[in-house]
Amino acid sequence: SQQGEEDPQALSIQEGENATMNCSYKTSINNLQWYRQNSGRGLVHLILIRSNEREKHSGRLRVTLDTSKKSSSLLITASRAADTASYFCATDNNDYKLSFGAGTTVTVRA
Amino acid sequence: DSGVTQTPKHLITATGQRVTLRCSPRSGDLSVYWYQQSLDQGLQFLIQYYNGEERAKGNILERFSAQQFPDLHSELNLSSLELGDSALYFCASSAVGVGGELFFGEGSRLTVL
Repeated sequence: SQQGEEDPQALSIQEGENATMNCSYKTSINNLQWYRQNSGRGLVHLILIRSNEREKHSGRLRVTLDTSKKSSSLLITASRAADTASYFCATDNNDYKLSFGAGTTVTVRA
Repeated sequence: DSGVTQTPKHLITATGQRVTLRCSPRSGDLSVYWYQQSLDQGLQFLIQYYNGEERAKGNILERFSAQQFPDLHSELNLSSLELGDSALYFCASSAVGVGGELFFGEGSRLTVL
């Protein structure tokens, strides 16, 4: 069973716009991670935020975490065509596995 | 390049057959994870090994088995294959046993006919 649920399932934006996707999860976590997957390729780690952190930045990525609401958001600013991919949140519950959500498919139009 | 190598990249076989998928983790990584990705089930955790020992098991079918060898490479064995086993199988490695980022291979695409 999946721990995280991303919303929306799909997102289409114009190049240069920002993209925001959300992740909700069910149980307490050690950390939450975001990954990107280009079509049919392996997942690539983007950012990790620990349960005691509220916000983290990496380049054009901004991640927030609200443990009281059991939710996280990923913001991609000034999107590019190369950002077209599926984005997954994954939760670490300190149980030796990383549980992935169903993902958000982002399409960036030129 | 994540440093994780998976072979074969593509595999086509028939129902009832058995296949072995192989994974070489990043140099120095002790943890190996296996995931199955299909259109209707998303990315499902199968099993994790740390330095040769099984640490966690997910929704792995009894027809599937895995192991991690002393040189840290891992194999996932799928037997009595069914049409529904067609999927992308990913291996990922991590430097730590729990809580770290995962480095994914490019996957093995299995098609069962």
